[in-house]
Parts: sequence; structure tokens; C-alpha cells
Amino acid sequence: QVRLVESGGGVVQPGRSLRLSCAASGFTFSTSTMAWVRQAPGKGLEWMSLIFYDGDNKNYADSVKGRFSVFRDNSKDILYLLMNSLRREDTAVYYCARGRGGGSFDYWGQGTLVTVSS
Amino acid sequence: SYVLTQPPSVSVAPGETASITCEGNNIGRKSVHWYQQKPGQAPVLIIYNDDDRPSGIPERFSGSRSANTATLTISRVEAADEADFYCHLRDTSSDRHIFGGGTKLTVL
Repeated sequence: QVRLVESGGGVVQPGRSLRLSCAASGFTFSTSTMAWVRQAPGKGLEWMSLIFYDGDNKNYADSVKGRFSVFRDNSKDILYLLMNSLRREDTAVYYCARGRGGGSFDYWGQGTLVTVSS
Repeated sequence: SYVLTQPPSVSVAPGETASITCEGNNIGRKSVHWYQQKPGQAPVLIIYNDDDRPSGIPERFSGSRSANTATLTISRVEAADEADFYCHLRDTSSDRHIFGGGTKLTVL
């Protein structure tokens, strides 16, 4: 079955960097669009980034463009999110999700918590 | 930027029908998706492309659209349906994905 497992979250100081990973299994990762979505404590869902199957086409929410980078390793079935210049407002649970035709996200991981605090 | 507006909360008695709206400019021209999220859990896709249900989602969940409003309808509401619900679409003009602010469904 489809499985997405995020890792790499933790407590990080403002201004520092963190890399999240999302290990995929149970489907053909190399042909799938993938996304990152975050949820601040007690808040709603916020789309962060999308990367197409080939890794060449990506887009980002304005709130993280220029600070966050999404990339993937199709040989290892892993999705990454590199977060630079972290701010307190980046504190959230970060989910990876699989994109399907039409733009929906049909499978989600359980999320990894990132806390930006000094 | 494109905005999706949902009511913060909806309450319904068991066995009744709940309707959760999602308002957006010309939303009738876009594909809308809906997710259910229970406390401490990841979101689950329940409606995609306006009115399609993924495998395993009960027929009690349905979606519809008009010019500027998408609606998630839950028939014969059960206590287990209590959750937060989010609408979502891809804004083709900006190539960004947008989520509504979420609606908390309370089963009385």
C-alpha cells in the first residue's frame, strides 16, 4: 500500500536551516507529482511546494519562495524539503503528499514537527 | 491572490445532513477537492474533482459546485464524522495550490 514517512523535524533556532525527508513506498514514485503542505499549531493547512515527477519543474508558496527548496531522488524514492533562514512562523507540522491528476493530494504522510525557537 | 472562504464551524445533529461551503471567485470553473482531518491525524482526501470519491469513502459524502461556491454535503451524519474539513484547488493563473481556512464540524 502507499506509504509516506516524513522525518527530519525538530527544534531549530531562527535563521538556521533544516532538511526534511519523505520516504515513499507502495507506488511508482518516479512518475508521481509530490507536494509539501504544512500546518501551524491550531491552524489550517498551507501548501508549501510542488515538484513534478522529473524534478525539473517546481513551484512554491510566496511565503517560502527563495528560502525553501524542494528536490527529489527518484533512485531512492525520497522527497526532500530544504528549509533555510527559518523563522518562528515556520513552526508547523510538515506533511508530504502525493499529487494526482486534477491537482488533489491523495495520500499524505503522518507529518514531522518543526519548531523554530531560540 | 486567490482566496477560499469557509465557515469556521458547522453543527449538526446525528442523522441529519451537514453542508460545508467553500467560496471563491469563479470557483465553478476550477476543480475543487475536499479533505477530512481528525485531531492528531493527517488529512484524508474525501472528494476530488468536485464530486468524485476515492475508494473507501462512503457515499454519504458528496460534492457540488455553483458559480462561486463549492459545497461538501455529508448525509446521515455520524458522530465519527466530527472533524475539520478543508477545500482545496489549484489556481491555474498563479500555479499555486490554495486551501480554505477549514471548517470544524461538530456533531451535537
